[in-house]
Parts: sequence; C-alpha cells; structure tokens
Amino acid sequence: EAQVTQNPRYLITVTGKKLTVTCSQNMNHEYMSWYRQDPGLGLRQIYYSMNVEVTDKGDVPEGYKVSRKEKRNFPLILESPSPNQTSLYFCASSLSDSGGYTFGSGTRLTVV
Amino acid sequence: DQQVKQNSPSLSVQEGRISILNCDYTNSMFDYFLWYKKYPAEGPTFLISISSIKDKNEDGRFTVFLNKSAKHLSLHIVPSQPGDSAVYFCAAKSRTGNNRKLIWGLGTSLAVNP
Repeated sequence: EAQVTQNPRYLITVTGKKLTVTCSQNMNHEYMSWYRQDPGLGLRQIYYSMNVEVTDKGDVPEGYKVSRKEKRNFPLILESPSPNQTSLYFCASSLSDSGGYTFGSGTRLTVV
Repeated sequence: DQQVKQNSPSLSVQEGRISILNCDYTNSMFDYFLWYKKYPAEGPTFLISISSIKDKNEDGRFTVFLNKSAKHLSLHIVPSQPGDSAVYFCAAKSRTGNNRKLIWGLGTSLAVNP
C-alpha cells in the first residue's frame, strides 16, 4: 500500500531533550515536506526536500533540522525542543513539487 | 498576509443537499489549485484539483469550479453524506517560476447532518 509513515504518533517530552520524528514513504517520491498544524494558523511548512541531499527552509524552520540521506526517509529533528513546538506535525510527499501530496497520519508532540 | 483565504470557518448542511465550500486567492501567479479533506487524528487526503486552464473539474460527487477573473474557487459536494463531515482545505501554487510552494487556506469545517 502506497503510504507515508510517521513515527511516533504521539510524543510527550521535556524541554531541551532532543527528539527525532521519522518519516518514510514507499512511493519513490522525490519531494518531501514537513508541516505543523496549529489552531487558527492552518498548515505551515517547516522544511522541504526536492531530492536526496537537497533541503530548504519553509515558513517556520526555527528550532528544527531535517536530513535527506535517502529518497524514502525525511526525519524531523528537534535539537532542543521548547513548549512553543507543541503541535501536530505532518510529513508529506509527492512525485514532484508540482502535484498533490500524500500525507502521513500525523505526530502529536507535547513539550512540557 | 494570507494568499489563500477560506472565509467560512464552518458550514453545516443536511444530508442529501449540496455543500459549497469557497476559497479566494490573491496571487495571480497561482495556476494549480487543490482541495484536501481532513478527518480528526488523520493526515489530509487529496480530494480533487484543477489547473488554471480549466474552469471546472468533476470527480464523482465532487466538482471544483474556478473563476480566474474573481480569483475564486469553490468545491461542490452533491449529494452530501454524513461521511463527508471533515475539515476541507483549499491550497494553491504556481507550477512555474521560482516559488512553487503550496499555499494553504485555514480550512472549513463541514458538518453533514443526517
């Protein structure tokens, strides 16, 4: 089944403790992206990647890092999480940057 | 400054009737528009899209209309079903030029009442 898989689905962590949210897609998509969704703010792009080893900042990249060492994986790294990073995170992929995205099921992160 | 606006945060319709969700955009460079549906605790799922060379695209119960002169698009769902109750996001992008980022509206929550 074609899908984008995010892990974990739920995570509660403490301020400053490094964490990684994994994202993997099995559709051989070139384009991958991370979003966060917050009430009243909609979906905001954090980082995106056009292909392996090609990443760029989205609208709200502060406090996040990404890597794209392989085509299928696009992990989101929070080196020192803070409470304002409490949010619902979505990973998405598409064949190119000109089409529609397939989204993962989301990761609800709480930073206390 | 929001480039894609969904001015109705919520909409309630009766089962079997038509649901019309609206979306306005400001950037005349946008040439591709998408609608996504999102259930709670799930990621958005792609519903239907339209290119700026068309003014209508239909897929089953879902039809998207594009009015380029008004910079307005709408999603029609006929007939509406309780399973259509979800948040609907409008998104737009330019497929040419340097900035091809997908720009999202804030969503409209649709409730279809039995």
